[in-house]
Amino acid sequence: DTEVTQTPKHLVMGMTNKKSLKCEQHMGHRAMYWYKQKAKKPPELMFVYSYEKLSINESVPSRFSPECPNSSLLNLHLHALQPEDSALYLCASSFPTPRGRSSYNEQFFGPGTRLTVL
Amino acid sequence: SQKIEQNSEALNIQEGKTATLTCNYTNYSPAYLQWYRQDPGRGPVFLLLIRENEKEKRKERLKVTFDTTLKQSLFHITASQPADSATYLCALNNFNKFYFGSGTKLNVKP
Repeated sequence: DTEVTQTPKHLVMGMTNKKSLKCEQHMGHRAMYWYKQKAKKPPELMFVYSYEKLSINESVPSRFSPECPNSSLLNLHLHALQPEDSALYLCASSFPTPRGRSSYNEQFFGPGTRLTVL
Repeated sequence: SQKIEQNSEALNIQEGKTATLTCNYTNYSPAYLQWYRQDPGRGPVFLLLIRENEKEKRKERLKVTFDTTLKQSLFHITASQPADSATYLCALNNFNKFYFGSGTKLNVKP
């Protein structure tokens, strides 16, 4: 199974709502990522989990809260979002990188969740 | 800070021609560089990886070069087809962080 799945595909939420995005992979990857992508822009890294521990937080606002309950699942909890948070949210996974070395590991991306904040 | 630039916002070519996309980077010395394809509304898909000690890498109609002196990678699609139309992203990584270039949108016209 070489697929990363994401649910839901589309999400519309108000600024006071609480919602969650889900991501799952069964490739045995121990690094998982959340990216945010605005239209006509490259993906921007938000969070990295390595062996189920948060290893990188790219100064993301606290209204985004990641969670990695096990090696196959990654969640992104959303609360009190702003309209400018509307974007495509991508999940990816890979084999993790040994410290001190550049990784050669390709990332496998999911199809993304299209989020609209009203 | 890390900067990765790709040539022009869109590249229009005729079917059958070779498309050449450029990726330039600064303030980094990656051991590897990767190329991804992204279709509208979809996640990027890995295409090729090239190591710093490799001058060239090929896969079917795709060819990548990597010049660490110029800090540049070139991505070629030979005998291009309309189905090759997509956005192509180069990416450098350090530890578990991936830095994506701005992307080049390729349009192959029949």
